[in-house]
Amino acid sequence: GAVVSQHPSRVICKSGTSVKIECRSLDFQATTMFWYRQFPKQSLMLMATSNEGSKATYEQGVEKDKFLINHASLTLSTLTVTSAHPEDSSFYICSATDDNQETQYFGPGTRLLVL
Amino acid sequence: GENVEQHPSTLSVQEGDSAVIKCTYSDSASNYFPWYKQELGKGPQLIIDIRSNVGEKKDQRIAVTLNKTAKHFSLHITETQPEDSAVYFCAARGPNYGQNFVFGPGTRLSVLP
Repeated sequence: GAVVSQHPSRVICKSGTSVKIECRSLDFQATTMFWYRQFPKQSLMLMATSNEGSKATYEQGVEKDKFLINHASLTLSTLTVTSAHPEDSSFYICSATDDNQETQYFGPGTRLLVL
Repeated sequence: GENVEQHPSTLSVQEGDSAVIKCTYSDSASNYFPWYKQELGKGPQLIIDIRSNVGEKKDQRIAVTLNKTAKHFSLHITETQPEDSAVYFCAARGPNYGQNFVFGPGTRLSVLP
């Protein structure tokens, strides 16, 4: 099956710093990638959708200047949490779809803790 | 927009018994329904999916059924094992909301040895 990786798997940072999370599709070309946020014992909350080479589409309530998304190639998307604060602490998960844009394949997630 | 409900929120079964999780959706145009399994601290993994032109699909111990008229689909796990313990999410996708999935709230399944 399709494999999606994320890096780092967990990160601890100080309040006010920026953190970059990478999402890679390892064995397929991901025309679309999605970024989700998940709080403990809750479902997946879609933050934004990104298509390769174009600007991301953000969901209502998600600050695009705070959560910068770049999808520069068919195998890589990055999420940068700028000026992170403790309330940004969460589990961030990316997913990717291939050419038929049907099934989403998820990465292993990145746990962010902002002190 | 689409709304996906999922029941039960928690489910405990004895090892070897069957488990059934049910989801309902609101948009009759939805045409693709995947099921994901998420273990603690990991990303969701696709375990089975079904398209709207099929009523049932089976893969070893896992099966999914779809009732388009009633707008519900169910996950069936037979001969449950402790390693089946996880959170299971259903999702729906359709032409009215582009490429996005709408996820159910999840079901925490515990298989007791």
